[in-house]
Amino acid sequence: AQTVTQSQPEMSVQEAETVTLSCTYDTSESNYYLFWYKQPPSRQMILVIRQEAYKQQNATENRFSVNFQKAAKSFSLKISDSQLGDTAMYFCAFMQGGSEKLVFGKGTKLTVNP
Amino acid sequence: NAGVTQTPKFQVLKTGQSMTLQCAQDMNHEYMSWYRQDPGMGLRLIHYSVGAGITDQGEVPNGYNVSRSTTEDFPLRLLSAAPSQTSVYFCASSRGTGGSYEQYFGPGTRLTVT
Repeated sequence: AQTVTQSQPEMSVQEAETVTLSCTYDTSESNYYLFWYKQPPSRQMILVIRQEAYKQQNATENRFSVNFQKAAKSFSLKISDSQLGDTAMYFCAFMQGGSEKLVFGKGTKLTVNP
Repeated sequence: NAGVTQTPKFQVLKTGQSMTLQCAQDMNHEYMSWYRQDPGMGLRLIHYSVGAGITDQGEVPNGYNVSRSTTEDFPLRLLSAAPSQTSVYFCASSRGTGGSYEQYFGPGTRLTVT
């Protein structure tokens, strides 16, 4: 069974600074997808960024980028120019190709301070 | 386009009572699923469906029942509620075959069993 580990239960960053959230996963599959979801206090789950395992290029979405290290099974999220609205729980998630089933990590609570 | 809707938003049950959490999507998605979120545990898959009439168990299926008679609806039934089922429940949907693997989440239902 696949597992996803987020080793930082809580983090904080000053507004406008950069922060990196860590995620490692364990799988024997070669076809899979990795995701970062954001959950603000409203509770809504919002997709931040997606990475296909077969793509070597790291995904980016505006201020959000990932560092995907396939051999190390590492998938970290970098948030640049942090904003107060980035305050949320962040979940790393794994999906085996073709399964549509997500396996989540336990989450990292990020606080952006003014 | 309402996306994924869930009712109710909040519910309090007594031990042994039964209830149904409703989930509907208007995006004609093939795949629908139910997750529960407990403090410090991330989200865990309860049941999922790959199309009308087809359902299967996820990681934590005990105490829950599902059916899918239409593409749009995927209700989750608690037959005899227990305090261990106190949680936040999320319904999600995705396009399935040929899609981007992005799961769209509903706003969640907070359930308390006393």
